Amino acid sequence: GQNIDQPTEMTATEGAIVQINCTYQTSGFNGLFWYQQHAGEAPTFLSYNVLDGLEEKGRFSSFLSRSKGYSYLLLKELQMKDSASYLCAVTDSNYQLIWGAGTKLIIKP
Amino acid sequence: ETGVTQTPRHLVMGMTNKKSLKCEQHLGHNAMYWYKQSAKKPLELMFVYNFKEQTENNSVPSRFSPECPNSSHLFLHLHTLQPEDSALYLCASSQETSGAYNEQFFGPGTRLTVL
Repeated sequence: GQNIDQPTEMTATEGAIVQINCTYQTSGFNGLFWYQQHAGEAPTFLSYNVLDGLEEKGRFSSFLSRSKGYSYLLLKELQMKDSASYLCAVTDSNYQLIWGAGTKLIIKP
Repeated sequence: ETGVTQTPRHLVMGMTNKKSLKCEQHLGHNAMYWYKQSAKKPLELMFVYNFKEQTENNSVPSRFSPECPNSSHLFLHLHTLQPEDSALYLCASSQETSGAYNEQFFGPGTRLTVL
């Protein structure tokens, strides 16, 4: 079966750095997405990785290792507005998106 | 604002009611999706439409009936639902359904409660 694993919940302090991990086992791989979803709102696109390495976009970075079936989302200089759920999703060999259950990130002052 | 709107935002219905969820996208996309989101579970893909044609139906019970009259509008008709159908129903759109980079744009969802 196809599976995406990510922690259910994480807590971090305002101004700090947090890393949210995602491991996947899918039939084929055509890219990995990270989405952010604030409570009661639509998921919104954060990043896309298809090649190994780190993609940086402001305070957010996303890393991919295809050989390890592993990705992480790195959030720097955390702000209260970063409190949200972060969803990892992988495009499989049939171009279907396989979703993780999401990681709820709680930011404390 | 993602360019995808959904109505209603909240819906409470009895098990014998019939209701419909509406989704509209203003992005010029060709593909539209219905997802079910339950607490602490992955998004469950329900239906996919590409150029108004249904291309996916992931073993969804017949009490959920989709309709896609054109590439901009998507409906989900509900009848004789069960309490376990209570969830957030998300609509999404993308340029198409194939290709590796297929970013999906989501609406805010309809929070459905079945009594």
